[in-house]
Amino acid sequence: GQQLNQSPQSMFIQEGEDVSMNCTSSSIFNTWLWYKQDPGEGPVLLIALYKAGELTSNGRLTAQFGITRKDSFLNISASIPSDVGIYFCAGQVNFGNEKLTFGTGTRLTIIP
Amino acid sequence: EAGVVQSPRYKIIEKKQPVAFWCNPISGHNTLYWYRQNLGQGPELLIRYENEEAVDDSQLPKDRFSAERLKGVDSTLKIQPAELGDSAVYLCASRQDSGNTIYFGEGSWLTVV
Repeated sequence: GQQLNQSPQSMFIQEGEDVSMNCTSSSIFNTWLWYKQDPGEGPVLLIALYKAGELTSNGRLTAQFGITRKDSFLNISASIPSDVGIYFCAGQVNFGNEKLTFGTGTRLTIIP
Repeated sequence: EAGVVQSPRYKIIEKKQPVAFWCNPISGHNTLYWYRQNLGQGPELLIRYENEEAVDDSQLPKDRFSAERLKGVDSTLKIQPAELGDSAVYLCASRQDSGNTIYFGEGSWLTVV
């Protein structure tokens, strides 16, 4: 099935650094979502975006809905150890019941 | 409030054997999803239920996979017979009609040997 392209595939950073990752699609989505998945757990929703150009924050996390509706970005400021995990973007054509199309994931590792 | 509950958490079976996964969604959530997540990839939808009706099963491999949600609450996903390529995490998720958020369970980790 279709998977959105996420970049980078993995990141190795030091605690306190800022993190940026992005997600691109060949088709338009009207909702963009960012999830975090810890080892052995299911994905947990971090941020939801519903409007092109929208910039939304959740604590140290900030996400943007690209103007073209074909991309989205996630930034994490001042990373801490609990930020470790895999971050997935997901696109939804219509808000509500439509299935989520997930990205390939960005694995974040914090170097002590 | 309890989250989405799945069982078993881990299952190792030999190829050609059957396997079943069970999901109890969050109380009051009418929409239930089954996703499959292969190693190193994001989840992919297998089937979506609205109450007891399967409204999207286009990506469910129907030759060997089946699912049911008879009373519109719990759901089971079955694979018979299992193949080596079925090794993956099977995630159940649910959503309330009036809500935006899809809540995922911890997943059932299947290894076919």
